Amino acid sequence: AQTVTQSQPEMSVQEAETVTLSCTYDTSENNYYLFWYKQPPSRQMILVIRQEAYKQQNATENRFSVNFQKAAKSFSLKISDSQLGDTAMYFCAFMKHGNAGNMLTFGGGTRLMVKP
Amino acid sequence: GAVVSQHPSWVICKSGTSVKIECRSLDFQATTMFWYRQFPKQSLMLMATSNEGSKATYEQGVEKDKFLINHASLTLSTLTVTSAHPEDSSFYICSASVGGSPRNQPQHFGDGTRLSIL
Repeated sequence: AQTVTQSQPEMSVQEAETVTLSCTYDTSENNYYLFWYKQPPSRQMILVIRQEAYKQQNATENRFSVNFQKAAKSFSLKISDSQLGDTAMYFCAFMKHGNAGNMLTFGGGTRLMVKP
Repeated sequence: GAVVSQHPSWVICKSGTSVKIECRSLDFQATTMFWYRQFPKQSLMLMATSNEGSKATYEQGVEKDKFLINHASLTLSTLTVTSAHPEDSSFYICSASVGGSPRNQPQHFGDGTRLSIL
């Protein structure tokens, strides 16, 4: 079984600053995917970024980037130039490759507050 | 993009009544649908996984007779909370997937249902 751990229940950052959210996971799988989801106060689940484990290059989506350390089983999310709209719960998620149905294992979440 | 519609978005009802929540994939056929429960400031807790035409697979600790799941077609799954009580009050989220390696997103999420039992 896989586990995903987010060690920071809450974080805050000043607008325009950079913040990094931590995520570690435990698995015996070699092929898998990792994701970061954002859940704003509206409670919609929004996919922010995804990373394939076989890719060494870290994924980047505009202001969002990851630091994927496969050996350390670490998958942190960096948000640059933080905006007020980034205020949300952020969930790290794991999925095995070839998983029928695409089942996700979620971390406990990090509540991020962006301050003006 | 793929859209999942979840209805109702908010329901308030008296203790003892049953509540049905619908989850529809609007523009794709979902081979698998998932039902989650989320308490305030907590993560999504998977309740069950359902595949079209077969019985749902419930996670440990989830009462099958309390939370009835029907996945009658490739575009519709329903969750019925039977004889609901205040402790069943929560936020319920469904999601749908087409299976296989995620080209874009592994699961497409509905907007959730806030259930309040008085």
